[in-house]
Amino acid sequence: DSGVTQTPKHLITATGQRVTLRCSPRSGDLSVYWYQQSLDQGLQFLIQYYNGEERAKGNILERFSAQQFPDLHSELNLSSLELGDSALYFCASSPVAGASYEQYFGPGTRLTVT
Amino acid sequence: GENVEQHPSTLSVQEGDSAVIKCTYSDSASNYFPWYKQELGKRPQLIIDIRSNVGEKKDQRIAVTLNKTAKHFSLHITETQPEDSAVYFCAASRNNFNKFYFGSGTKLNVKP
Repeated sequence: DSGVTQTPKHLITATGQRVTLRCSPRSGDLSVYWYQQSLDQGLQFLIQYYNGEERAKGNILERFSAQQFPDLHSELNLSSLELGDSALYFCASSPVAGASYEQYFGPGTRLTVT
Repeated sequence: GENVEQHPSTLSVQEGDSAVIKCTYSDSASNYFPWYKQELGKRPQLIIDIRSNVGEKKDQRIAVTLNKTAKHFSLHITETQPEDSAVYFCAASRNNFNKFYFGSGTKLNVKP
């Protein structure tokens, strides 16, 4: 158990809908990263927050947005969902802002868009 | 930006043999190179990492080597066991850039 929690574990929704994925980092970690992993694919970096502020953006679609709250939990919002958005979404946390440190991954949220 | 390429995409070895997975990176400023293991349906977990100020690091049956000049790094697993079967991802990053770039993954199958 990495100490990072994600809810929900599974999510099934229809095209065009909007969902929110939640992540709670390890106690004391200030950085949260979001990744998308499609079937049999690698990890695509979406976005990073550090202590409430957006720090880095990867290949995140305009239909997706995220935020980190004062209690450091983060939410990833996915809207106007398409079939291709079906994937495992991981968040990871680390104690520092920079990326030269181990990231602790949560168990992931499996999103299925039908 | 950084581009990380990983080879091979699949690797099948006999139990007890060694396995080697290679990654190349493009950004000479990258200075941190972790390796993650992901078992089916589970979260990626760090198994070993190396920073650019060293050329090799070992942890029991696992070792990582880094060649900064050639911009490649490799994961070596010796005396493989069936429980080593998983997907392995390499990654590269640099401290002030806040992004991890992952390779595409290697599916390792260790046959008993």
